[in-house]
Amino acid sequence: GAGVSQSPSNKVTEKGKDVELRCDPISGHTALYWYRQSLGQGLEFLIYFQGNSAPDKSGLPSDRFSAERTGGSVSTLTIQRTQQEDSAVYLCASSSLAGGGTDTQYFGPGTRLTVL
Amino acid sequence: DQQVKQNSPSLSVQEGRISILNCDYTNSMFDYFLWYKKYPAEGPTFLISISSIKDKNEDGRFTVFLNKSAKHLSLHIVPSQPGDSAVYFCAASETGANNLFFGTGTRLTVIP
Repeated sequence: GAGVSQSPSNKVTEKGKDVELRCDPISGHTALYWYRQSLGQGLEFLIYFQGNSAPDKSGLPSDRFSAERTGGSVSTLTIQRTQQEDSAVYLCASSSLAGGGTDTQYFGPGTRLTVL
Repeated sequence: DQQVKQNSPSLSVQEGRISILNCDYTNSMFDYFLWYKKYPAEGPTFLISISSIKDKNEDGRFTVFLNKSAKHLSLHIVPSQPGDSAVYFCAASETGANNLFFGTGTRLTVIP
């Protein structure tokens, strides 16, 4: 079956612009995660959605970052007024079980964001 | 503040030999550990995991060892194959947490 897909694969934007990144999780997966990987760093947790529960936003680095998950499926990560330090690869993952760190997370290929 | 550390950014090994990738962590509440493998332009894929109630887990050519007292785990690949060349990420979590904490990765190159 289809894996996690993300779009766009690459995004170049100017400082101060808003960007939207999209994630399509594996069908039927109730848990969805966003991570980012900055140059030379490990993956950094951003936000977690589980079913209809309120999302865990504890990893969002600033209020410029927000995410939605519509209908329990597709998710959009929005970064407002982008800054150069936002440049990173943004990865989405989904899992099929109850959610939480012990479930196997399946990752998408990521969106490489470059802020000029 | 990196709670999971992979201090070797790269490792080169001859085909057929053993590859040993190391990982250290600082949070004693972590009780579940995973290794992910990443090829260029792809997302990380799950490789193998271990619970803190075990000290070893084996799956084919891949074995993960956990030393809780040293807060250290390692991934052994025997025998190494050229197709194993990738970036390997160590990750950790604690029961009830919603996210994984990842290391910075080790790039493994298996030389034919």
